[in-house]
Amino acid sequence: KAGVTQTPRYLIKTRGQQVTLSCSPISGHRSVSWYQQTPGQGLQFLFEYFSETQRNKGNFPGRFSGRQFSNSRSEMNVSTLELGDSALYLCASSGGFETEAFFGQGTRLTVV
Amino acid sequence: GQQLNQSPQSMFIQEGEDVSMNCTSSSIFNTWLWYKQDPGEGPVLLIALYKAGELTSNGRLTAQFGITRKDSFLNISASIPSDVGIYFCAGLAGNNRKLIWGLGTSLAVNP
Repeated sequence: KAGVTQTPRYLIKTRGQQVTLSCSPISGHRSVSWYQQTPGQGLQFLFEYFSETQRNKGNFPGRFSGRQFSNSRSEMNVSTLELGDSALYLCASSGGFETEAFFGQGTRLTVV
Repeated sequence: GQQLNQSPQSMFIQEGEDVSMNCTSSSIFNTWLWYKQDPGEGPVLLIALYKAGELTSNGRLTAQFGITRKDSFLNISASIPSDVGIYFCAGLAGNNRKLIWGLGTSLAVNP
């Protein structure tokens, strides 16, 4: 059974640009959560999608948005990139009614 | 946002030693999860705990769900070099499906 797949693995963008990250959850999982990880800050929750609806949201500005498709794949978009957006972005999937979350390898975003 | 108090922040030990780390919260949790993250990778689930007082093992790892439901412990016995990484605790309270995370314990093992 394939795990959580995130693409791309690495990305370099310029300040002011926008970026879209992709996450394919484990087959059969309907919940996808996104996290931002920076050194010393741990995992900061961005949002969770379940059956194409945003179910939970963290405390990030509106520049961060996401969506989920009918096949449970999810995308995360960051507009007007800032230097401080440089981080490892992690996606986690779960069955939706369990609490165990399984992570992808992450996308390392560098904003220059 | 809300975070768990995870300690210690970092540990440097000799191979073969036992390791203990813990997470505490001011709130009651229904679920505790322990993850390990290798550099440049996503966290990997090690142990899940669902009941107060529960003690669960996964190889050399043992985790406990505190009786008060406000804390959890992870022990690693006879550490080996591949135990190196960052260990995270995460908790879930009530009906809120948002996991609350600790800041991690960075473990270094000297061969």
